[in-house]
Formats: sequence, C-alpha cells, structure tokens
Amino acid sequence: AQSVAQPEDQVNVAEGNPLTVKCTYSVSGNPYLFWYVQYPNRGLQFLLKYITGDNLVKGSYGFEAEFNKSQTSFHLKKPSALVSDSALYFCAVRDGYSSASKIIFGSGTRLSIRP
Amino acid sequence: ETGVTQTPRHLVMGMTNKKSLKCEQHLGHNAMYWYKQSAKKPLELMFVYSLEERVENNSVPSRFSPECPNSSHLFLHLHTLQPEDSALYLCASSQDVRIATNEKLFFGSGTQLSVL
Repeated sequence: AQSVAQPEDQVNVAEGNPLTVKCTYSVSGNPYLFWYVQYPNRGLQFLLKYITGDNLVKGSYGFEAEFNKSQTSFHLKKPSALVSDSALYFCAVRDGYSSASKIIFGSGTRLSIRP
Repeated sequence: ETGVTQTPRHLVMGMTNKKSLKCEQHLGHNAMYWYKQSAKKPLELMFVYSLEERVENNSVPSRFSPECPNSSHLFLHLHTLQPEDSALYLCASSQDVRIATNEKLFFGSGTQLSVL
C-alpha cells in the first residue's frame, strides 16, 4: 500500500533563512512524487514533481526538492525564505504503474515565515 | 486563477437539509475529482470521473452523491449529513486520469461546509 508522511505539523523559519519541509513515502514500485502548496482560502497549487532522472527537482517560486531513494524521502527546500512562502504544503506520492487517481496526499505542513 | 471554479464558497446546513456543491473547469480536461480536506488529516480522495464515467469511489457514504453531466461540470449532492462531515471540499481536474505521467492536478478554492 502507498503512504506518505509529513512528520511536522508546523515549521517556523525566519525570513532569509533556508527552509526544509520533510516528506517520506512508501510505495511498492517506482515512486512519482509531488509537492503542492495551499495559500489561505485557495485550493492546492502544483509546485514540482519527480518522475525520473536528476534527484534534485526545481519548481515554482524558487522551491526545489531532493529525491533520496535510500531514505525514501522527498524533502522540499528553499535557500532563502520569504514571508510570502507562508502557506500549507502537501507532499503526495503514487506508484508509477497506477493511474493518476491513485495519488496519495500527506496531512500537510504549515510553513510560517517570520519577518 | 486555476481554471477550476467551485460554488458556493461557504455552506452551512442542517442534518436534514439537501444541498449541492458545484464545480466547473475551463481547462478542457477529461478527468475531475472530489477531495475532502479536514484539519491535520491527509487529503481524502472521494470520487474520480473520467469522461463523465465514475472510475473511483473510495468507500464514501451514500449521503454523498456525485454527478458528472459532462466533462466540464461536477456536482456533489449532499443529504442527511453528519456534523463530522464538516470540512473543506475540493474539486480538481486533470488532463486525463489514464495518462501515466500527466498527473498535475488543478484545484478549485473549495467549499467550506459546516453541518449543524
């Protein structure tokens, strides 16, 4: 069975500092991994995905994520946080052999950037 | 804007009421989804439609009834709900649920439902 875990409910970072939002996963085959962001009173927006290839994936708004197969992790990172990055971040995963309807989302991590 | 519009934005209903949530996508996508978002819980997939045919029904109680009259519109009909059904209900669309790598989902802003 597929699963995804976001171990932190909330991450607090000062503006200008690097940030990391953690995600670990479990799938039976090759993982397809995603990050989505939800701003207040909005739906989720796609940030980036890993399907195959380079383990470091770059996405929207200066975010990147590193796929680590041995640790089954896909942590979201940004070198320098902005106050406008404050939002709810969701990690998602699916088995590469299943359809898009089998995407599993985590419970979300609230990122708070203080000025 | 994501191209996916949900109405109403907020809904308060009693346990004996009947109401409907509406979703419309202007992206030309073939697949549409209903998700339930509750605080500090994983996003919960409820229903998936591909070309107006239901392809996924994740053990959702019958008090939730989806309808997809065409590939641009999706409804969620609600009746005799329970207080624990209070949540944010999100609609999403994607180009085609069957294409293996094309899984970018476009979400609406959701309907915040409160059941009294």
